[in-house]
Amino acid sequence: SQQGEEDPQALSIQEGENATMNCSYKTSINNLQWYRQNSGRGLVHLILIRSNEREKHSGRLRVTLDTSKKSSSLLITASRAADTASYFCATDYSSASKIIFGSGTRLSIRP
Amino acid sequence: DAMVIQNPRYQVTQFGKPVTLSCSQTLNHNVMYWYQQKSSQAPKLLFHYYDKDFNNEADTPDNFQSRRPNTSFCFLDIRSPGLGDAAMYLCATSRDLFGSNQPQHFGDGTRLSIL
Repeated sequence: SQQGEEDPQALSIQEGENATMNCSYKTSINNLQWYRQNSGRGLVHLILIRSNEREKHSGRLRVTLDTSKKSSSLLITASRAADTASYFCATDYSSASKIIFGSGTRLSIRP
Repeated sequence: DAMVIQNPRYQVTQFGKPVTLSCSQTLNHNVMYWYQQKSSQAPKLLFHYYDKDFNNEADTPDNFQSRRPNTSFCFLDIRSPGLGDAAMYLCATSRDLFGSNQPQHFGDGTRLSIL
């Protein structure tokens, strides 16, 4: 079963614009993570946000978490061609020892 | 640099012919995971090892097995690959068992094709 659903499934924006991706989940969580996956490569960890945190920043990335709505968003500011990738949220489930990935958002940056 | 390395990057096998994928890590992490990822889908956890303790996901087919002979290496064995097993197989590590509160470190995967 899938814990996280991401929206939109695909997003195409102009270089320099901001990109926002959303993740909704079904059951309460301890932590939520965001990962990036370039085509044909493994996943790279971006940010981890704990359930008692509301916002976290890392460089051009900003993640928010709203536990009352069971949702998170990832904002990439001033997008670059190198940001073209799939982005996945991941939450824990049943026990804190494992994470389950959302369906992902495919982001394309147009030059 | 410490990393997770998967070999080979691409593997072609015949229908029903056993195949083994390998993963090594220099991070000295306690936990190693194997995920299956089909095209345009999320990675799906097959099983994980915490040290030598093996944990199988309930819906992982019996056709898939794993070995972890030491801290650094982990293998995925597919005993009789079917066409539906064509996918990217990703190995990941985390420092401790409670993987949700720490990042997982992924290799670049092995893309498996079945003829």
